[in-house]
Amino acid sequence: AQSVSQHNHHVILSEAASLELGCNYSYGGTVNLFWYVQYPGQHLQLLLKYFSGDPLVKGIKGFEAEFIKSKFSFNLRKPSVQWSDTAEYFCAVNKDFKTIFGAGTRLFVKA
Amino acid sequence: DAGVIQSPRHEVTEMGQEVTLRCKPISGHDYLFWYRQTMMRGLELLIYFNNNVPIDDSGMPEDRFSAKMPNASFSTLKIQPSEPRDSAVYFCASSSDKRTSGGGTYEQYFGPGTRLTVT
Repeated sequence: AQSVSQHNHHVILSEAASLELGCNYSYGGTVNLFWYVQYPGQHLQLLLKYFSGDPLVKGIKGFEAEFIKSKFSFNLRKPSVQWSDTAEYFCAVNKDFKTIFGAGTRLFVKA
Repeated sequence: DAGVIQSPRHEVTEMGQEVTLRCKPISGHDYLFWYRQTMMRGLELLIYFNNNVPIDDSGMPEDRFSAKMPNASFSTLKIQPSEPRDSAVYFCASSSDKRTSGGGTYEQYFGPGTRLTVT
């Protein structure tokens, strides 16, 4: 079945550590890719998106993601996390007008 | 624009009662989505509409759930009768099929959610 897989369900990091959250999808052809963030008690907000062009996408708050077509991956990265990055992160793929979300990764950053 | 508006923000009801959740999408958006979020199951797509027409309702759990979109600015999700296992946060989201100056489509804008507790 077509799906979106996030490798880590829970990640704990100390402030200033580097972050990489994995995301793989199983859809073929052209897709649109997203990372959303959900801060505690809030709704999902768009972090960054990829549609075409440069496969390295920069988003808000210092986040970036790299689309590697051959690996069907769209991993999220941040060089140095802050306590305020504690949140749940969702990878999403839009294909044929339908967006499928991954299961989410809960990130906890220790101050 | 005020963004996606949902009401109520919190709903506590007894098992067997009817529950109606409401959503007002962003003006001009032609897609509307209903999601359910729980700790156990994560974020689940229940149903989505395009131009007020239901396109895919395969995520609706069972016949107790129904959704309508009578016009472009309003949608409801109804649960009748409600059960404790329906307790969750229900999100509405909207998106546009039109390319923006920033490029790309299908970015979803989420509402604040309705936290439903069925006792």
